[in-house]
Amino acid sequence: AQTVTQSQPEMSVQEAETVTLSCTYDTSESDYYLFWYKQPPSRQMILVIRQEAYKQQNATENRFSVNFQKAAKSFSLKISDSQLGDAAMYFCAYSNNNAGNMLTFGGGTRLMVKP
Amino acid sequence: NAGVTQTPKFRVLKTGQSMTLLCAQDMNHEYMYWYRQDPGMGLRLIHYSVGEGTTAKGEVPDGYNVSRLKKQNFLLGLESAAPSQTSVYFCASMGPNYQPQHFGDGTRLSIL
Repeated sequence: AQTVTQSQPEMSVQEAETVTLSCTYDTSESDYYLFWYKQPPSRQMILVIRQEAYKQQNATENRFSVNFQKAAKSFSLKISDSQLGDAAMYFCAYSNNNAGNMLTFGGGTRLMVKP
Repeated sequence: NAGVTQTPKFRVLKTGQSMTLLCAQDMNHEYMYWYRQDPGMGLRLIHYSVGEGTTAKGEVPDGYNVSRLKKQNFLLGLESAAPSQTSVYFCASMGPNYQPQHFGDGTRLSIL
């Protein structure tokens, strides 16, 4: 079974600074997808960024980028120029092409942004 | 464009009562999912469906049943609610070509 681990229960960053959230996963598959979801207090699940395992290039979405290390099974999220609105729970998630493409989530990292 | 709509948004039950959570999507997606989120944890898959008339078990299926009689709807049932089922329930749907899942806003369910 696949597992996703987020080793940082909480992180704090100063507004306008950069922060990196860590995620590791375990799988025997070679073709899969990795995601970062943001969950603000409203509890909505908002997709931040997606990475396809067969693509070597790291995904970027505006201020959000990932460092995908396939051999190390590591998938970290970098948030640049942090904003107060970035404060939320962040979940790393894994999906492959088997068994209905279900998502396996990590335990989450709570990000606090200090003004 | 409503996306994924969950009904109700909040409910309180007594132990032993039954209820059904409704998930409706208007994107013509084949795949639908039910997850639960317990405090301080990530989402865990309860059941899922890969198309109308199909259902399959996820990671934590015990105590729940599901039905997908219509493509746009995915129902989650609790036959005899237990306090351990107090959680926030999320429905999601997914279209073709491994597009990301779209989530509903969640249902907070408390069982006393």
